[in-house]
Amino acid sequence: AQSVTQLGSHVSVSEGALVLLRCNYSSSVPPYLFWYVQYPNQGLQLLLKYTSAATLVKGINGFEAEFKKSETSFHLTKPSAHMSDAAEYFCAVSRNNAGNMLTFGGGTRLMVKP
Amino acid sequence: DTGVSQNPRHKITKRGQNVTFRCDPISEHNRLYWYRQTLGQGPEFLTYFQNEAQLEKSRLLSDRFSAERPKGSFSTLEIQRTEQGDSAMYLCASSPPSVNEQFFGPGTRLTVL
Repeated sequence: AQSVTQLGSHVSVSEGALVLLRCNYSSSVPPYLFWYVQYPNQGLQLLLKYTSAATLVKGINGFEAEFKKSETSFHLTKPSAHMSDAAEYFCAVSRNNAGNMLTFGGGTRLMVKP
Repeated sequence: DTGVSQNPRHKITKRGQNVTFRCDPISEHNRLYWYRQTLGQGPEFLTYFQNEAQLEKSRLLSDRFSAERPKGSFSTLEIQRTEQGDSAMYLCASSPPSVNEQFFGPGTRLTVL
């Protein structure tokens, strides 16, 4: 069975500050990990994915995430927050590369203060 | 726009009525997924098709829920005898062959009164 835990349902940062959104996973097999962003009343947009290649993954909009097997973590970071980054962020895991279902965390709402 | 499309975007219905949602995946994407998202939660998997075959169903998919993908292209999700607990956003996603990446549609928001 797989599961994802996102620590902190709400995170608030000032514009220009570092963004750190935490994700820990549990998986009985080597995981495939994803970060999605969701703006109000919209679907999910893929930010980045880890598929067992490089452990540091770069995504869109300046986001990146590092896979740490020893810590079972896949935290999302961005050096400098923009107002437009305010949204809900979801970490997700899937079993393998066969396109199986995603198991999502509960989400973290990022608020950016001017 | 060649993304995943879902119709309707919003549906308000009375308890006990049947509703049907449609999802049109990205062209040539052979895999199609349905998820349900309640307020303040992450999406939860409902079911998955590869071409026209329904390969996996969640325990969340009760007898009142049925999904089809008759020609391996668009899919429908029907909920019979709706209950207030069915109120949620229903998300559809599609995935191309041999790529582990799902592209999501905008969702259908269902409100059961």
